[in-house]
Amino acid sequence: AQSVAQPEDQVNVAEGNPLTVKCTYSVSGNPYLFWYVQYPNRGLQFLLKYITGDNLVKGSYGFEAEFNKSQTSFHLKKPSALVSDSALYFCAAPSGNTGKLIFGQGTTLQVKP
Amino acid sequence: DAGVIQSPRHEVTEMGQEVTLRCKPISGHNSLFWYRQTMMRGLELLIYFNNNVPIDDSGMPEDRFSAKMPNASFSTLKIQPSEPRDSAVYFCASSLEGDRFYEQYFGPGTRLTVT
Repeated sequence: AQSVAQPEDQVNVAEGNPLTVKCTYSVSGNPYLFWYVQYPNRGLQFLLKYITGDNLVKGSYGFEAEFNKSQTSFHLKKPSALVSDSALYFCAAPSGNTGKLIFGQGTTLQVKP
Repeated sequence: DAGVIQSPRHEVTEMGQEVTLRCKPISGHNSLFWYRQTMMRGLELLIYFNNNVPIDDSGMPEDRFSAKMPNASFSTLKIQPSEPRDSAVYFCASSLEGDRFYEQYFGPGTRLTVT
């Protein structure tokens, strides 16, 4: 079965430090992988996606994600965190050809000044 | 574009009452999704439509839930009768077909409280 996992419920970083939010996947075939962000009291927003090509994908708000096939990971990264990056982050992948996106359980990122 | 519009933003109702949630997708998007988010279960896909046709409703919890999309610019999710366990935030999302199908645009959500 297709699945994505986010091993950390919460990540805490200081403003200006690099951040990493982890995601591992278990999908058959070539994986399509996505990151979404949810700010408080808002709906999810698409951040970036990996379909094929370069393993380092750049997205919105300075975020990037690194696809690693050998480790079946798709970690979200940012070189310098901002307090405004504090939010709930979801990794996602399509569930076969069903048209559904399956989401990880979410990781809360807390950036402290 | 105004983005995905949902109404109401908050709904408080008593158990047994009918609840109707509304969604207007982004103009030109032909896929529409209804999700439910709770602390316990996370984000769950309830149903999705493609070109106004329901494609997969396997996530609909039970017969008390129904969804319609009478045209490309409007969808409803109805719960009748409502129960306290239906309390959650309900999101509507829309997307284009093709390789942007999974780039879903979410509305602000409707926070439903059933007492």
